[in-house]
Amino acid sequence: DAGITQSPRHKVTETGTPVTLRCHQTENHRYMYWYRQDPGHGLRLIHYSYGVKDTDKGEVSDGYSVSRSKTEDFLLTLESATSSQTSVYFCAISRSGTGGFNEQFFGPGTRLTVL
Amino acid sequence: KNEVEQSPQNLTAQEGEFITINCSYSVGISALHWLQQHPGGGIVSLFMLSSGKKKHGRLIATINIQEKHSSLHITASHPRDSAVYICAVKGGSQGNLIFGKGTKLSVKP
Repeated sequence: DAGITQSPRHKVTETGTPVTLRCHQTENHRYMYWYRQDPGHGLRLIHYSYGVKDTDKGEVSDGYSVSRSKTEDFLLTLESATSSQTSVYFCAISRSGTGGFNEQFFGPGTRLTVL
Repeated sequence: KNEVEQSPQNLTAQEGEFITINCSYSVGISALHWLQQHPGGGIVSLFMLSSGKKKHGRLIATINIQEKHSSLHITASHPRDSAVYICAVKGGSQGNLIFGKGTKLSVKP
């Protein structure tokens, strides 16, 4: 358990509304990631952060923005939600494992439905 | 072409059977992960390996770097092993993982 929580865990919203998902960690890890998981696609990287105020885009970043004003919180915002953003969103942190390689640990996920 | 391919996509086994799930990748990697996702949705890291073999209980993971292939074995399978098993490689320049689509395992009593 790497002390990762996500909120909300479930959300239903309407097309065109803004949505913010929160990832919170308790262990001061530098690297944090947002992934989405869709049937037939596996997990795909949306955005990641390598420190406070340091973020970068991933594979599927269109329509999403992120912010990290504190080490412990990484926010994912859908400025204007669309039905194609209906998905399960996972936050992850990267923590040093054995042999010097970083291991990733995942939050419990947020199921978002955009009607 | 997907950079990480898993086979089979779906697998049904009887309790007690020996199970093998395969993962092939096409990119250079520094490490490979095996993850487990239960029906409730949570994702748990099972193994991270860069060479050779690792064992944890009834689970064994192997990797052949030259052949770009890894296998996850489950000995004496049990219904509680029913889950989706995901292979992921660390090859992205951003330190992120590149994921396979997963293998859905169902173990019948």
